Amino acid sequence: KQEVTQIPAALSVPEGENLVLNCSFTDSAIYNLQWFRQDPGKGLTSLLLIQSSQREQTSGRLNASLDKSSGRSTLYIAASQPGDSATYLCAVPGTGFQKLVFGTGTRLLVSP
Amino acid sequence: SQTIHQWPATLVQPVGSPLSLECTVEGTSNPNLYWYRQAAGRGLQLLFYSVGIGQISSEVPQNLSASRPQDRQFILSSKKLLLSDSGFYLCAWSRGTEQYFGPGTRLTVT
Repeated sequence: KQEVTQIPAALSVPEGENLVLNCSFTDSAIYNLQWFRQDPGKGLTSLLLIQSSQREQTSGRLNASLDKSSGRSTLYIAASQPGDSATYLCAVPGTGFQKLVFGTGTRLLVSP
Repeated sequence: SQTIHQWPATLVQPVGSPLSLECTVEGTSNPNLYWYRQAAGRGLQLLFYSVGIGQISSEVPQNLSASRPQDRQFILSSKKLLLSDSGFYLCAWSRGTEQYFGPGTRLTVT
């Protein structure tokens, strides 16, 4: 059974810092990994989808890496801004048809 | 472009009352549809998914049910709500490997 863990559970940084969020999964036989952002009381916004054949995926100040063999992914946020404050979730496909297994998220607070 | 709608946005219901949450998707056809629940302090839990009209798979035994009366409509229901049904309910759709989420419904059972 696939399990996803995210560390740290919460992170507080001053504006401008570069930061790394971690995601680990127990079953390395995945075909993709997805990073989401969730603002308080809102739905999830897809940030990046990284395929199993890829090592990295970039979107603006965000960079996601994937190391299938070690069961890890990282989300790198460059030059953090207060608007980046949110909960970040990673998810991988579980058993069955396109079902996702989510981590419990990292709550990020970027202070001005 | 595709959009996904959920309503109501918030709902306060007494224990034992019925529930109906609706989700609709625009701009695509034959999507896979999903219902998730996010309880306070816990992760996202997949409740139901559907690959077509009338095809529903349940992930977790509970007093909730789901139906898909139309291609792009997904409904979550209960005959009698429990306190433990409180949470944030999210609908999602996919056609490939990426899932897209709706704005969610905040349900409080009192």
